Amino acid sequence: GAGVSQTPSNKVTEKGKYVELRCDPISGHTALYWYRQSLGQGPEFLIYFQGTGAADDSGLPNDRFFAVRPEGSVSTLKIQRTERGDSAVYLCASSSGLAGADTQYFGPGTRLTVL
Amino acid sequence: AQSVTQLDSQVPVFEEAPVELRCNYSSSVSVYLFWYVQYPNQGLQLLLKYLSGSTLVKGINGFEAEFNKSQTSFHLRKPSVHISDTAEYFCAVRAGNNRKLIWGLGTSLAVNP
Repeated sequence: GAGVSQTPSNKVTEKGKYVELRCDPISGHTALYWYRQSLGQGPEFLIYFQGTGAADDSGLPNDRFFAVRPEGSVSTLKIQRTERGDSAVYLCASSSGLAGADTQYFGPGTRLTVL
Repeated sequence: AQSVTQLDSQVPVFEEAPVELRCNYSSSVSVYLFWYVQYPNQGLQLLLKYLSGSTLVKGINGFEAEFNKSQTSFHLRKPSVHISDTAEYFCAVRAGNNRKLIWGLGTSLAVNP
């Protein structure tokens, strides 16, 4: 596809469970970003990858959150021991990674609900 | 640290009227500025961006924004809105070499017939 895709579109889980959220970036984009958007809020930065490495993970709220991008394309955001406060829409974006203000293109998001 | 303030959480307007959505930012370094739109049940879409050069930036769907460095503002405008412009609008800033976007809380634009 031409755009950023995210799966699943919706995820309902129980408190304490483990979840994985997947992001497929635009083909050829070397930079990949994860954001979280709570109801009524703007997106909040979580982590940024350049290639396979996490270049900035300063937004991860705690050590229950982890993300990988092993081959420099698809990324997985992993949340351990989910809490009700983790409920939000998790957004993925990708960009060309070139120097300067390259545009971040967003996927439709995964809505996570923790019961 | 950078921050973004969107001064209006909701803006109701009649169709064909002009609209301005306000955005102010704070940063100690140079910034890149963005406006994104989120239509109901859709993902974020870039409307326009300011990188450098001319302070008046034109975007998609007839929107434009003006960068004012002295007032640290980047207000979004459209001279005549349509029903289809009803959406959530987000202002965002990138500072210097930092890649992450810092976002405002959003402004809900409701265009009424």
